[in-house]
Amino acid sequence: DGGITQSPKYLFRKEGQNVTLSCEQNLNHDAMYWYRQDPGQGLRLIYYSQIVNDFQKGDIAEGYSVSREKKESFPLTVTSAQKNPTAFYLCASSVRDYNQPQHFGDGTRLSIL
Amino acid sequence: AQTVTQSQPEMSVQEAETVTLSCTYDTSENNYYLFWYKQPPSRQMILVIRQEAYKQQNATENRFSVNFQKAAKSFSLKISDSQLGDTAMYFCALPAGSEKLVFGKGTKLTVNP
Repeated sequence: DGGITQSPKYLFRKEGQNVTLSCEQNLNHDAMYWYRQDPGQGLRLIYYSQIVNDFQKGDIAEGYSVSREKKESFPLTVTSAQKNPTAFYLCASSVRDYNQPQHFGDGTRLSIL
Repeated sequence: AQTVTQSQPEMSVQEAETVTLSCTYDTSENNYYLFWYKQPPSRQMILVIRQEAYKQQNATENRFSVNFQKAAKSFSLKISDSQLGDTAMYFCALPAGSEKLVFGKGTKLTVNP
């Protein structure tokens, strides 16, 4: 079955440590997105990519980095510069057509040790 | 800039009754789509329904329907015959240009037995 796989489901970060969240899709979608979800804040866009080897900052990109070396993969690194990383992170993908909906993974819960 | 406002942080409804979740938005676009997503306690985001702005007919998907009023920029979601499995966060979303979505902060719906 086609879908989006995020791993791990739960992740813990120590002070000063970078951690990487994985997102893989087999839907053949060109566009991929990373969102952060905090209670009462809805979904906020961190980074997005419309095509391989290209990506753009979203609304809250500071302290995060991404890469898009393959169409299927869009990993997110939470760097030590992100001072409040505890949140639920959602990855999504879509075709490059704003009329079409985004498809989401199951999310990763990141906590600070 | 596109904005989405969901003015009801929490709502509750009795099983088998009808409930309406409100969403207002602002956009300078003339042709666009609007989406409602559901996020159950499992945290996966699921598309519930979408509406094309240039269609006057309101979209319907089984027990879910929308009341779309373009001039008022209102896009409410009606859930008929509410079921326990409808308990979830519901997010309204609007494309921001051709590359990304803007989400409201969500409404937490609880269906009581």
